Amino acid sequence: GQNIDQPTEMTATEGAIVQINCTYQTSGFNGLFWYQQHAGEAPTFLSYNVLDGLEEKGRFSSFLSRSKGYSYLLLKELQMKDSASYLCAVSSYGTASKLTFGTGTRLQVTL
Amino acid sequence: DVKVTQSSRYLVKRTGEKVFLECVQDMDHENMFWYRQDPGLGLRLIYFSYDVKMKEKGDIPEGYSVSREKKERFSLILESASTNQTSMYLCASSTQIYSNQPQHFGDGTRLSIL
Repeated sequence: GQNIDQPTEMTATEGAIVQINCTYQTSGFNGLFWYQQHAGEAPTFLSYNVLDGLEEKGRFSSFLSRSKGYSYLLLKELQMKDSASYLCAVSSYGTASKLTFGTGTRLQVTL
Repeated sequence: DVKVTQSSRYLVKRTGEKVFLECVQDMDHENMFWYRQDPGLGLRLIYFSYDVKMKEKGDIPEGYSVSREKKERFSLILESASTNQTSMYLCASSTQIYSNQPQHFGDGTRLSIL
């Protein structure tokens, strides 16, 4: 089976940096995705990691350590529009690249 | 841009009714998925399909069935709706051309069973 853990809620200040952690236990690991979901909207793809290390994409970066079963999403220069839920999802080998999602981290950006 | 369209944003049905949720994608994706999303439980996979007429159970298939008669359309069926099926339902699709392409989601259907 698979187990994915991420904090339920976080609060950060506009302009700051926030790190959202995700730990996972899985067999047949085949990559980790981060999605952003604003309230009442569809999840949208942010990043994908399959090798160890940091992937940078503008204000957002994602890190993976396969040996530790650990990932984080780093958001820099926070903006109010970054207030959303951030979903960590693990892909496993098999048909159709199924994803198993964590319960999500709700981030509140304040002034 | 990938477009995944779900037939209804909001739906209210009664206990015991047969309910159909429709999903259409316009990117010729092989894979399609149905999830439900509940507070504190996250996204949970109900069924998925990797080809026309092919379907596989996800983590919580009980009380649901699916149909994929055409590549672009994936339907979720609640055979006899119950109140514990009140939830947000999300459809997604992805391609098999490259491994681990992201899933693209529809806007969701908020279903209430009374």
